[in-house]
Amino acid sequence: DTEVTQTPKHLVMGMTNKKSLKCEQHMGHRAMYWYKQKAKKPPELMFVYSYEKLSINESVPSRFSPECPNSSLLNLHLHALQPEDSALYLCASSQETNEQFFGPGTRLTVL
Amino acid sequence: GESVGLHLPTLSVQEGDNSIINCAYSNSASDYFIWYKQESGKGPQFIIDIRSNMDKRQGQRVTVLLNKTVKHLSLQIAATQPGDSAVYFCAENRAGGSYIPTFGRGTSLIVHP
Repeated sequence: DTEVTQTPKHLVMGMTNKKSLKCEQHMGHRAMYWYKQKAKKPPELMFVYSYEKLSINESVPSRFSPECPNSSLLNLHLHALQPEDSALYLCASSQETNEQFFGPGTRLTVL
Repeated sequence: GESVGLHLPTLSVQEGDNSIINCAYSNSASDYFIWYKQESGKGPQFIIDIRSNMDKRQGQRVTVLLNKTVKHLSLQIAATQPGDSAVYFCAENRAGGSYIPTFGRGTSLIVHP
């Protein structure tokens, strides 16, 4: 299995909602990542987990809360988001120094 | 500002032509570069990488060239096919030996049949 899966594919939420994005990989990768990508822009790194511990937080607002329950799963909990948070949220994994494998992303719309 | 960028936002080619996508970087300490392809509705996909101790690396129908003197990176796609239509990003590793890529702005490649 050489895939990174993400659910849901699409999510529409209000500014007072709480929702979660999920990411899963079964390649045995020990590093997992969350990126945010706006239309026609490159992906921007948000968080990095290494061996299930948060190693990088790119000064992301606290309304985004990552969680790594185990080495195969990565969640992104969303609360009180703003319309400008609407974007494609990409998850990736890697075997530390090797290439990153990206999931298809969750298209998030905040109303 | 961004340390990695691309010269052209859009490149249109005819099927069968060779495509060249260019990228400039400003961090002379960068020692690892990657090209990604992102098709509509999908996440970026690794195409090819190159380390700074190399000038050229070839894959299947793709070649990456690195010119450290002018801090320039290019991706050449031979015999471009409609399936090559996508946005192409160059990326460089972060300082300190990390392999976390910093993405450039992207070039949209459009292949006309």
